[in-house]
Amino acid sequence: GQNIDQPTEMTATEGAIVQINCTYQTSGFNGLFWYQQHAGEAPTFLSYNVLDGLEEKGRFSSFLSRSKGYSYLLLKELQMKDSASYLCAVRDGDYKLSFGAGTTVTVRA
Amino acid sequence: IAGITQAPTSQILAAGRRMTLRCTQDMRHNAMYWYRQDLGLGLRLIHYSNTAGTTGKGEVPDGYSVSRANTDDFPLTLASAVPSQTSVYFCASSLTSGGGNEQFFGPGTRLTVL
Repeated sequence: GQNIDQPTEMTATEGAIVQINCTYQTSGFNGLFWYQQHAGEAPTFLSYNVLDGLEEKGRFSSFLSRSKGYSYLLLKELQMKDSASYLCAVRDGDYKLSFGAGTTVTVRA
Repeated sequence: IAGITQAPTSQILAAGRRMTLRCTQDMRHNAMYWYRQDLGLGLRLIHYSNTAGTTGKGEVPDGYSVSRANTDDFPLTLASAVPSQTSVYFCASSLTSGGGNEQFFGPGTRLTVL
């Protein structure tokens, strides 16, 4: 199967920056996705990377290094509403999406 | 309907019973998926369909079956439920299975098998 690792939990202060790392080993690679999931709700799409480099979208940025099997999601100017689980997902050579277990981010005032 | 819907929202089921979870999307997406989400394990793919009339097995297909008779509907059936199938089930769809097309998720079905 696929192997996708991300930290279980992170805590940060409102207004700060948090970086969530994701490392992966998959059979083939066809893109990496980040999703946000609030407790009791469905995951929602945040970002997509298929080429190396940084993709910026407002307060959120995502970085990919295919040679290192590594990505990170950067959350800037943290707000209380950013408290959620963040899921790293990799699409493999068969175009199936495999998810990491998720990183729960808690934003404190 | 706007987006992707699932029914029921939650269900308590006796072991051995048959159960069908429903999923409908109105976005004319070609690809649809079923995942289960368990604490500490993340989302795991059960079955998928890249287009109407075709289905495929995901990471954890045993005990589950699906059909895709048309573009909009993708039901998931548990033929004989077991307690290990207690989970939150999410249906998702995407325009196609490739490219930068993200998956849109339904609100989920919380299933408890006793």
